[in-house]
Amino acid sequence: ETGVTQSPTHLIKTRGQQVTLRCSSQSGHNTVSWYQQALGQGPQFIFQYYREEENGRGNFPPRFSGLQFPNYSSELNVNALELDDSALYLCAIGGGGGPTPLNGGELFFGEGSRLTVL
Amino acid sequence: GENVEQHPSTLSVQEGDSAVIKCTYSDSASNYFPWYKQELGKRPQLIIDIRSNVGEKKDQRIAVTLNKTAKHFSLHITETQPEDSAVYFCAAFNTGNQFYFGTGTSLTVIP
Repeated sequence: ETGVTQSPTHLIKTRGQQVTLRCSSQSGHNTVSWYQQALGQGPQFIFQYYREEENGRGNFPPRFSGLQFPNYSSELNVNALELDDSALYLCAIGGGGGPTPLNGGELFFGEGSRLTVL
Repeated sequence: GENVEQHPSTLSVQEGDSAVIKCTYSDSASNYFPWYKQELGKRPQLIIDIRSNVGEKKDQRIAVTLNKTAKHFSLHITETQPEDSAVYFCAAFNTGNQFYFGTGTSLTVIP
């Protein structure tokens, strides 16, 4: 059991505010990635961290930023919130990514943080 | 970049029948194709995956086939059960270090 934990589970913000979402795992895996899942859609890749360095980014603006800490926990920060940022944000460990990824692997997702922007 | 398309978006089958979900991808560099099951309010969980050097993989009632030439892969569930009801996502991974997910198929198994 990889035990990926995300917090908070639900939160409500207003436009223009900032939010920080957190992720940790029992296994302390060195690769963590974040996904945005809008209602009725598949997860969209935001970015990935490997050993505290960002090593992959999807098509998201710079106001989406992240951190990975020495204990491999991670944060996703979103500034200047917009209505379209309302979604389920999923953290995942694993996936096979690394400094020179060749093969994908299983992603272990957390339960997600559901963000509502009003 | 990669583009993954998934069909159908919804699928209803009678218990015991088979279900097939299809995905296409655009980037020939993609080399790993997992399928995830997401129950309502739960996290996505891997149910089966296939790598580009394999054409078919089976795990009990679940199988995945891959056609690299046509750039499509399919999930097959046989002898469906009510607990198979969920949303299923296909995905493609390439050496750009990124997973691209399909838009999901909501499967309902009718008892």
